[in-house]
Amino acid sequence: DAKTTQPTSMDCAEGRAANLPCNHSTISGNEYVYWYRQIHSQGPQYIIHGLKNNETNEMASLIITEDRKSSTLILPHATLRDTAVYYCIVRVGSSNTGKLIFGQGTTLQVKP
Amino acid sequence: EPEVTQTPSHQVTQMGQEVILRCVPISNHLYFYWYRQILGQKVEFLVSFYNNEISEKSEIFDDQFSVERPDGSNFTLKIRSTKLEDSAMYFCASRASGAITDTQYFGPGTRLTVL
Repeated sequence: DAKTTQPTSMDCAEGRAANLPCNHSTISGNEYVYWYRQIHSQGPQYIIHGLKNNETNEMASLIITEDRKSSTLILPHATLRDTAVYYCIVRVGSSNTGKLIFGQGTTLQVKP
Repeated sequence: EPEVTQTPSHQVTQMGQEVILRCVPISNHLYFYWYRQILGQKVEFLVSFYNNEISEKSEIFDDQFSVERPDGSNFTLKIRSTKLEDSAMYFCASRASGAITDTQYFGPGTRLTVL
């Protein structure tokens, strides 16, 4: 699976959009970009995933660049409860086991 | 909304003792996983399980570890002789099918403390 690079930490003001970047320059054509988050040692929580098109759900939006070498997770109106570690994970599309390889992630601190 | 559940939430044991961590995956899911997270470190894959057998395991998952699906609902992780370094959060996860777009859902975790 392709390696990802994320900033170690970011701050965001409550009510503002949080934009979390991820670099995955070695991504292959059949690899998906997944985002999970972990709030204070709870189980990781799925947020969103995409292959090449931008995606949006009730939690967030995922913007993938045209060359697919980077992506941005957008939390449109961050709240204090969005304070968490956010993980960008790249997974092979044909992987049967489906294991997730977590990096260190980005610690997002939402401030009042 | 269906969720993965894990028991106990916290397990304290003496070094050398056997522990069994229990998980109830989401009903009708077919793929099951265990991960662990040592305090302050990243989440690490341990093992995946499908069709009543291990489909993949990491180098962490040595002979001290075993997994089982004893009935149609539970999925267990057994550590035969616990070591101090086994102290960690253990997360169970499940996935409906092998499709890449199927989401993996995690339980709340069991905190294992080995004294």
